Parts: sequence; structure tokens; C-alpha cells
Amino acid sequence: QKEVEQNSGPLSVPEGAIASLNCTYSDRGSQSFFWYRQYSGKSPELIMSIYSNGDKEDGRFTAQLNKASQYVSLLIRDSQPSDSATYLCAVNAGYSTLTFGKGTMLLVSP
Amino acid sequence: EAQVTQNPRYLITVTGKKLTVTCSQNMNHEYMSWYRQDPGLGLRQIYYSMNVEVTDKGDVPEGYKVSRKEKRNFPLILESPSPNQTSLYFCASTSTGPNEQFFGPGTRLTVL
Repeated sequence: QKEVEQNSGPLSVPEGAIASLNCTYSDRGSQSFFWYRQYSGKSPELIMSIYSNGDKEDGRFTAQLNKASQYVSLLIRDSQPSDSATYLCAVNAGYSTLTFGKGTMLLVSP
Repeated sequence: EAQVTQNPRYLITVTGKKLTVTCSQNMNHEYMSWYRQDPGLGLRQIYYSMNVEVTDKGDVPEGYKVSRKEKRNFPLILESPSPNQTSLYFCASTSTGPNEQFFGPGTRLTVL
């Protein structure tokens, strides 16, 4: 059974701080890793994808991947109240099938 | 604009009354899937399709049917809905290669 684990939170950070979201996965054969943001009642929105070990930066977001530790993380710099949402980690280990974690709720207070 | 559309967005129905939720994508993706999302359970895959006329069960297929007669459309069919199928449903399509998955806006279904 392929599993993706995330702390459910909520993770509370003040505005302007760095939010750090973490995810571990069980399948060593996983090749692609994604972070989605989901506002309450809305659909998941892809914000980052990462395919190789190391860091990938896009604006205020940085995804980090460590395949040896089976660990992927998302850093959000200069967090804004509009970043308050649930963040879903997703992992691909087969043909286009994603396994999702249950998500971490992030709360950014003004 | 590249998008996945679903209809209806909201539906209240009664037990046993057959319904279909439509899903369409304009990105020419081969892979499409259906999920349901319930509090505390996260996203669970119901069915997926790797191409026209190729479908397979996901993690929670009981009570659902799908078809894929055209590449762009992937309807979800509930032949005899029951209250435990009350949920938020998402259709998604996935790009080949990057495997980036894009979601439709969701359908909130209530079965009384």
C-alpha cells in the first residue's frame, strides 16, 4: 500500500514568517512529487512539482526533495494570510496515478 | 484557456435516483480520473482512465461507473445513489510526461 503522510496541523505562523510543510512517502519507486493548495470547498491547485533531489524555487515557494529519506517539503517565505489553506502532498509512482496525503492546514495570522 | 469542467457543481438528489456527473477537459490529456473527498479521509480515487475505452478501478469504486468514449469526456455515473455517497467529487486530467494533474471545480453531491 503506497502511503503519503502529512501532519494534519493546523500549522500556525505569523504573517511574514516562513511556513514549512513536510511530507513522507512509502514507495521508493516514486518519481514525481507535487504540492497542491486547496482552499476550503475549492479544488486542489497545483503550485509546485519536483522530480529530482534538491531544491526547486518558484517565487515565494521552495520545494525540497530527498529521495534517500523519502521526504519532500514545501517552504513558503513571507507567508501571507491569503496562503491560509490546506496543502496536499502528492506522489507519483506509476502511470499518471497520484497518491495524495491528507493535507496540512496552514493558518497565517495577520 | 486550458481547463477541466464539471457539471453540475451542486446536486441534491434522493436515494436510488440515477445520476451522471459530467467531466470534460480541453488539454488533450489521455489520463483522467475521479476522486471523492470527505473530511478526515482526504482525496480518494474512484476510477481512472488511461485512454479512450480504457478504464480501471481506483481505491473506492463501489457504487460508481464510468465510461470513456471520447478523449475529452469522462462521466461519472451513480446508478443507485445512497446517502454514503454524499461527498465532494473532483474530476482531474493529467499531462503525459510531467504527470501534472489538473482538477475540475468540484461537484458537491448530497444524497437524501
